[in-house]
Amino acid sequence: NAGVTQTPKFQVLKTGQSMTLQCAQDMNHEYMSWYRQDPGMGLRLIHYSVGAGITDQGEVPNGYNVSRSTTEDFPLRLLSAAPSQTSVYFCASSYQQGNTEAFFGQGTRLTVV
Amino acid sequence: GNSVTQMEGPVTLSEEAFLTINCTYTATGYPSLFWYVQYPGEGLQLLLKATKADDKGSNKGFEATYRKETTSFHLEKGSVQVSDSAVYFCALSDQGGGFKTIFGAGTRLFVKA
Repeated sequence: NAGVTQTPKFQVLKTGQSMTLQCAQDMNHEYMSWYRQDPGMGLRLIHYSVGAGITDQGEVPNGYNVSRSTTEDFPLRLLSAAPSQTSVYFCASSYQQGNTEAFFGQGTRLTVV
Repeated sequence: GNSVTQMEGPVTLSEEAFLTINCTYTATGYPSLFWYVQYPGEGLQLLLKATKADDKGSNKGFEATYRKETTSFHLEKGSVQVSDSAVYFCALSDQGGGFKTIFGAGTRLFVKA
């Protein structure tokens, strides 16, 4: 069982470059979300989706775009990378939003220089 | 808005010591409460949860009781092991927050042999 798969695991970008972090789940979960994890700040919600074709902003959406064309995939795009986006990014999915267990990918460690 | 406050770490204990990690919350409604654990290099995993007042969640020797009167959900374990060394996150979600899961900052636990 793959669960939630994130790629890549590590990435170094130069300021101004763009890239896409990939996230795929094979559990047929409707709800998917992206978080960033920074020291002393826990996990902060970037964007989320309650189903294919539906996305919404979380707490820290600026500088990021998402789309949800299928139930399985929820890519996160950095439009023009900045050093402030250096972080560890986690994708999560759950059967429904809220009161159910969230399953997390292993994370992508991104460094912007 | 909703928020979660955890005790700051790191917490360093000897094997077989008693563990308490404090967690308090602010929520507009009646949230579900969660503890997640993150082992080194991995994503978060659900450790336990409670969905209503006075519920006790338990798993792997860890326990937490949903206390509405003190808005708390403290994590406890009677005898920690080296393998419990990880980062622990308290989290909540409720209807008032649009069912988005809000995480505390995390508490790192080190257990010495």
